[in-house]
Amino acid sequence: DAGVIQSPRHEVTEMGQEVTLRCKPISGHDYLFWYRQTMMRGLELLIYFNNNVPIDDSGMPEDRFSAKMPNASFSTLKIQPSEPRDSAVYFCASSPGVNYGYTFGSGTRLTVV
Amino acid sequence: GQQVMQIPQYQHVQEGEDFTTYCNSSTTLSNIQWYKQRPGGHPVFLIQLVKSGEVKKQKRLTFQFGEAKKNSSLHITATQTTDVGTYFCAGVGSNYKLTFGKGTLLTVNP
Repeated sequence: DAGVIQSPRHEVTEMGQEVTLRCKPISGHDYLFWYRQTMMRGLELLIYFNNNVPIDDSGMPEDRFSAKMPNASFSTLKIQPSEPRDSAVYFCASSPGVNYGYTFGSGTRLTVV
Repeated sequence: GQQVMQIPQYQHVQEGEDFTTYCNSSTTLSNIQWYKQRPGGHPVFLIQLVKSGEVKKQKRLTFQFGEAKKNSSLHITATQTTDVGTYFCAGVGSNYKLTFGKGTLLTVNP
């Protein structure tokens, strides 16, 4: 298995632009998580899905953030419009269940200028 | 909400010295997980502890879960340069959400 695949690896965009981050979880993993990592706040859970259904989005910072999981093999995190404070590394992770370790993707380093 | 505190924030050791990082939760946890993140990399799952007082070992790494299931520790014996990275604890509470500590950055001087 190729693991959790995220794209793009790096994204530089101008303030106000729309940004879409993509994730392909490990096949058979029922849970998918989106995390954001910054020096100041560490790893923050933004949203997670179980069997493609959003379960908890309380970590999504604002209405500018949205996430979808149209099928078991694909998820997107969208920021519209982007702001400089959104600059961070965004990780996608998947897991077979709540009592299993998470497998993280390599992350997307987002820079908003 | 659930908070997971981790200390120290940084630790620099000479190769061969031991290293310990401590994790404390504001609430009782159903289980705790440990991850390692190399510089520029992504978190990698190391282990999960579930039972009160549980101790697990992986070669030079020893993980403990407190009796009250609110604290945990990771001890590395005789550190090597390959141990460099940030070690995170992450607690699972009653809401099934995994909350990460801020991590301990370990640097090793060869």
